[in-house]
Amino acid sequence: AQSVTQLDSQVPVFEEAPVELRCNYSSSVSVYLFWYVQYPNQGLQLLLKYLSGSTLVKGINGFEAEFNKSQTSFHLRKPSVHISDTAEYFCAVSRGGKLTFGQGTILTVHP
Amino acid sequence: GAGVSQSPRYKVAKRGQDVALRCDPISGHVSLFWYQQALGQGPEFLTYFQNEAQLDKSGLPSDRFFAERPEGSVSTLKIQRTQQEDSAVYLCASSLVAGSTDTQYFGPGTRLTVL
Repeated sequence: AQSVTQLDSQVPVFEEAPVELRCNYSSSVSVYLFWYVQYPNQGLQLLLKYLSGSTLVKGINGFEAEFNKSQTSFHLRKPSVHISDTAEYFCAVSRGGKLTFGQGTILTVHP
Repeated sequence: GAGVSQSPRYKVAKRGQDVALRCDPISGHVSLFWYQQALGQGPEFLTYFQNEAQLDKSGLPSDRFFAERPEGSVSTLKIQRTQQEDSAVYLCASSLVAGSTDTQYFGPGTRLTVL
């Protein structure tokens, strides 16, 4: 069975500060990992995904994530956030196409 | 370009009523998924279609939930005799091919409120 844990339910930061959203997973098989973002009243949008190869994955809007197999983590980072990054972020693991999501982290960027 | 669309966007039902939620996937996408997102939670898998075949319905919470995709494109999620615990946002997603690595594209969801 797979599970995903997002360690922080809410993360407040100031504009232009760096941010890290944490995600840990458990899986007995090879994993494919995803980060999605959900803006208010909109559908989930893919930020980035890790399938294989380089453990540092770059996504849209300046986000990146690092796959760490030994720590079973896939943390999302951005060096300098903008007001428009305010949204809910979901980490997910895929098996057989079915996504298992974490509980979500609400990122609030303050001016 | 056209993304995944869902209708209605909002649905209010009285307890005991039947509801039908529609999903129009991206044209040509083979795979279609339904997820349920309760308030403050991450989406949870309900069911999966590859073309018209329902390959996995392990996430459907009860036999009151039924999904179909008869022609391999549009899908309908039906909930019979709705109950208050069915209140949630129902998300539909589609992907071009089948498999764990393909990106799923999500619709805006249908918010169901059962009174």
